[in-house]
Amino acid sequence: DAKTTQPTSMDCAEGRAANLPCNHSTISGNEYVYWYRQIHSQGPQYIIHGLKNNETNEMASLIITEDRKSSTLILPHATLRDTAVYYCIVRPINDYKLSFGAGTTVTVRA
Amino acid sequence: EAGVTQSPTHLIKTRGQQATLRCSPISGHTSVYWYQQALGLGLQFLLWYDEGEERNRGNFPPRFSGRQFPNYSSELNVNALELEDSALYLCASSGIYHSGNTIYFGEGSWLTVV
Repeated sequence: DAKTTQPTSMDCAEGRAANLPCNHSTISGNEYVYWYRQIHSQGPQYIIHGLKNNETNEMASLIITEDRKSSTLILPHATLRDTAVYYCIVRPINDYKLSFGAGTTVTVRA
Repeated sequence: EAGVTQSPTHLIKTRGQQATLRCSPISGHTSVYWYQQALGLGLQFLLWYDEGEERNRGNFPPRFSGRQFPNYSSELNVNALELEDSALYLCASSGIYHSGNTIYFGEGSWLTVV
């Protein structure tokens, strides 16, 4: 019952910015956009989340369109250690859980 | 500050046995969540505990159960193990329930049923 659409996979060159798109056309005003990543066989790692405004932290930037129907996660300088499955999740304010879809498999190449 | 810690890292059990997995949340977090990730499959929500109470559970049979202790740590019990229970079991925690509170995951416990 994932509410997001992400590309299945994408490649990125080491040192370049990685832009990961996510469509969430049915998002409502009380739903957050969360991003996690999962490196092989490890637990999901929180990256960033936002409601309406763009957000930035030490790991990444989150750009949410004005209509909130899509967003982009930006890894400013991708490294080989950023190779992982990236999950974009829409989480309602009154929802206690995260619903994971298939995510985007990002491969950073030297 | 310590993150979510889980034990054991790996566990091998025989079909029909019981498995117990343990989780310590981040200090100050009161909610604990359990997820199952079978090989090649996505993360499936199992259980949510908050303030010592089971608040909700996913679509799993009753042989999946658990509890949360007064110190907010939690354990997941899987009874009458079946081969398809082999998976990575992930524990996560968050602060006072509000979806604006970030959920943080541990590294997981690998359960292998033979």
